[in-house]
Amino acid sequence: KNEVEQSPQNLTAQEGEFITINCSYSVGISALHWLQQHPGGGIVSLFMLSSGKKKHGRLIATINIQEKHSSLHITASHPRDSAVYICAGTSQAGTALIFGKGTTLSVSS
Amino acid sequence: DTEVTQTPKHLVMGMTNKKSLKCEQHMGHRAMYWYKQKAKKPPELMFVYSYEKLSINESVPSRFSPECPNSSLLNLHLHALQPEDSALYLCASSSSPAGGSYNEQFFGPGTRLTVL
Repeated sequence: KNEVEQSPQNLTAQEGEFITINCSYSVGISALHWLQQHPGGGIVSLFMLSSGKKKHGRLIATINIQEKHSSLHITASHPRDSAVYICAGTSQAGTALIFGKGTTLSVSS
Repeated sequence: DTEVTQTPKHLVMGMTNKKSLKCEQHMGHRAMYWYKQKAKKPPELMFVYSYEKLSINESVPSRFSPECPNSSLLNLHLHALQPEDSALYLCASSSSPAGGSYNEQFFGPGTRLTVL
């Protein structure tokens, strides 16, 4: 069964702190997505990874295929980063996203 | 145009009403999806359309009826809903219905549905 596990469930930080959210996934998942959802809002795709590392602004996503683990890092966190971050996987065969339960991040100034 | 649009943004309906949700994308994507999201939960897949044909129906009750009139449009027809159907309904699209690394999904802003 394809599964995606995410941690921590909740995260609070002070503005400026370095944030890490972790995701582990099962065999059969070949691409990992990091998604962001602000309260009451739609979902924004931040990254899709099948290998290596991607960077966009203050956001960095990495994936270790051997360990089946991915991380999302936020450098110099800001209150506007407060949102739910969701890790999701897709298998080579399937089109549906398999979602983790999400990490609620709250950054205070 | 790299966005998925959804209308309406908010919808309140009674249990006897018939209404429709609309989703549109002009990115040439050939796979489109409906998800349902309850508060503080991840989205749950409802339907997948691949090349305008229904390819996945995740055992969704028949009071939800999807329709894909063309490659840019996806509708979700609602009839005789229950209060527990109140949720955020998200539409997404991807360039290909293939899995794995081809399947970056672009989400719309959602329709917030309340059933009274």
